[in-house]
Amino acid sequence: DTEVTQTPKHLVMGMTNKKSLKCEQHMGHRAMYWYKQKAKKPPELMFVYSYEKLSINESVPSRFSPECPNSSLLNLHLHALQPEDSALYLCASSLAGRGSTDTQYFGPGTRLTVL
Amino acid sequence: SQKIEQNSEALNIQEGKTATLTCNYTNYSPAYLQWYRQDPGRGPVFLLLIRENEKEKRKERLKVTFDTTLKQSLFHITASQPADSATYLCALDIYNTDKLIFGTGTRLQVFP
Repeated sequence: DTEVTQTPKHLVMGMTNKKSLKCEQHMGHRAMYWYKQKAKKPPELMFVYSYEKLSINESVPSRFSPECPNSSLLNLHLHALQPEDSALYLCASSLAGRGSTDTQYFGPGTRLTVL
Repeated sequence: SQKIEQNSEALNIQEGKTATLTCNYTNYSPAYLQWYRQDPGRGPVFLLLIRENEKEKRKERLKVTFDTTLKQSLFHITASQPADSATYLCALDIYNTDKLIFGTGTRLQVFP
């Protein structure tokens, strides 16, 4: 299984809602990532988990809260988002993390719209 | 701060020709560089990785070069096909971290 899955595919939420994005991989990868991508822009790194511990937080607002319950799962909890947070949210994983040269495997993304 | 530029936002070429995409970086000494392909509304897909001590890497119709003196990588697709139409992203590592920084991307359109 060489796939990263993300649910839901699409999400529309109001600014007062609480929702979660989910990401799963069963490749035995120990590094997992959240990226945000706006239209016609490159992916921007938000968070990195390495061996289930948060290793990088790119100064992301606290309305985004990541969680890594185990080595296969990564969640992104959303609360009180703003319309400018509307974007494609991508999850990725790589084999070992910790500064290795591993390539990253990306999921298909969740298209988030904040009204 | 690190800066990565792919100096063509869009590139249009005719089927059968060679597409050449450029990735330039500044304030930076990456250990390796990667190229990804991204189709609209999908996640990037890894294509090739080249290390700082390698000059050239090939995979089927793809070729990547890496010039650490010029701080530049070139990505070539030979005998291009309409199915090669996509956005191509270069990405560089930040030394001893899990971070990849992506370039601005080049949208390639191959016409029949």
